[in-house]
Amino acid sequence: EAQVTQNPRYLITVTGKKLTVTCSQNMNHEYMSWYRQDPGLGLRQIYYSMNVEVTDKGDVPEGYKVSRKEKRNFPLILESPSPNQTSLYFCASSQGALEWETQYFGPGTRLLVL
Amino acid sequence: AQTVTQSQPEMSVQEAETVTLSCTYDTSESDYYLFWYKQPPSRQMILVIRQEAYKQQNATENRFSVNFQKAAKSFSLKISDSQLGDAAMYFCAYRSAQGAQKLVFGQGTRLTINP
Repeated sequence: EAQVTQNPRYLITVTGKKLTVTCSQNMNHEYMSWYRQDPGLGLRQIYYSMNVEVTDKGDVPEGYKVSRKEKRNFPLILESPSPNQTSLYFCASSQGALEWETQYFGPGTRLLVL
Repeated sequence: AQTVTQSQPEMSVQEAETVTLSCTYDTSESDYYLFWYKQPPSRQMILVIRQEAYKQQNATENRFSVNFQKAAKSFSLKISDSQLGDAAMYFCAYRSAQGAQKLVFGQGTRLTINP
């Protein structure tokens, strides 16, 4: 089954404790992206990747890192999480970066930073 | 920068009736794509419908259709014969055709279906 998976689905952590949210897709998609969803703000892009070893900042990259060493994986890294990073996170992928291409979303990761 | 506005935080409709969700956007571009995504309680984001700005014909997908008014920068979603499974948060999204690699989302509209 074609899908985007994220792990963990739920995470409670404390300020400053490094964490990684994994994202994996099995569709051989080139383009991957991370969004965060906050009430009243919709989804905002954090980082995106056009292909292996090619990443760039989205609208809200502060406090986050990403890497794209393999085509299928695009982990989101919070080196020193803070309470304002409490949010619902989505990974998405599409075949390419063309504007008309459908982005497929993962199931989301709910993060609480205390 | 482009912005997307959904002015209705919540909407409700009787089962089997028709409901329209509003979306407006602001852009100086002439070529772009618009999307409606559905987010049910499971939190999964599901693409409902897509519209290319260069197409005058409104997109339709079964019970879902859009009213795309390019001059007014309006992109509303009409759901006909509403079903209980349509209950969800609906997001309108914009994507530029000029190299931007992101979706710009509206704030969302929570749709309730009354049996």
